[in-house]
Amino acid sequence: SQQGEEDPQALSIQEGENATMNCSYKTSINNLQWYRQNSGRGLVHLILIRSNEREKHSGRLRVTLDTSKKSSSLLITASRAADTASYFCATDTPNDYKLSFGAGTTVTVRA
Amino acid sequence: GAGVSQSPSNKVTEKGKDVELRCDPISGHTALYWYRQSLGQGLEFLIYFQGNSAPDKSGLPSDRFSAERTGGSVSTLTIQRTQQEDSAVYLCASSLWTGLSNQPQHFGDGTRLSIL
Repeated sequence: SQQGEEDPQALSIQEGENATMNCSYKTSINNLQWYRQNSGRGLVHLILIRSNEREKHSGRLRVTLDTSKKSSSLLITASRAADTASYFCATDTPNDYKLSFGAGTTVTVRA
Repeated sequence: GAGVSQSPSNKVTEKGKDVELRCDPISGHTALYWYRQSLGQGLEFLIYFQGNSAPDKSGLPSDRFSAERTGGSVSTLTIQRTQQEDSAVYLCASSLWTGLSNQPQHFGDGTRLSIL
């Protein structure tokens, strides 16, 4: 079953704008990860945030985690056409290392 | 080094036939996962191998699905008597295992399976 749910399902922005997507989950987690998937390809790991962390940065990516609200957000700043992809959050729970993926947010960056 | 390799990249077969999908994980990765992704959907966990431990098969949708991992490396996912609802992209991933916490998973590009 899918624990994470991304919002919005789809997002279209102009190059240079920021893109924000959210992930909500149902049960307590160990870690939350964000992945990107380009069309016809496998998933690429972007960033992992642990349950005791609140914010993490990696290049143009900023991830926040609010365990009280059971939600996370992924911000992509100064978007580029190459950021066009689907973005998935994935969670794992204490004592179970399986990842549970959401249905993803499809981001289109217009040139 | 090489990433996760899956073969074939595409497979079209008739309903009722058996299919075998192959996954070559990254060398040194002891954890290996199989997922299924239907069109426009997220990933559905199928099975998980970790070292010499018994695999976690809790995600396999029916007894027509089975998987093995030989020598702790290459894995094959077998679907017997395929049905049209088996049509999907089958993704394999591998990761390091620390026993303490989850590690990022590295994915292959998947096998796109179409059942006619």
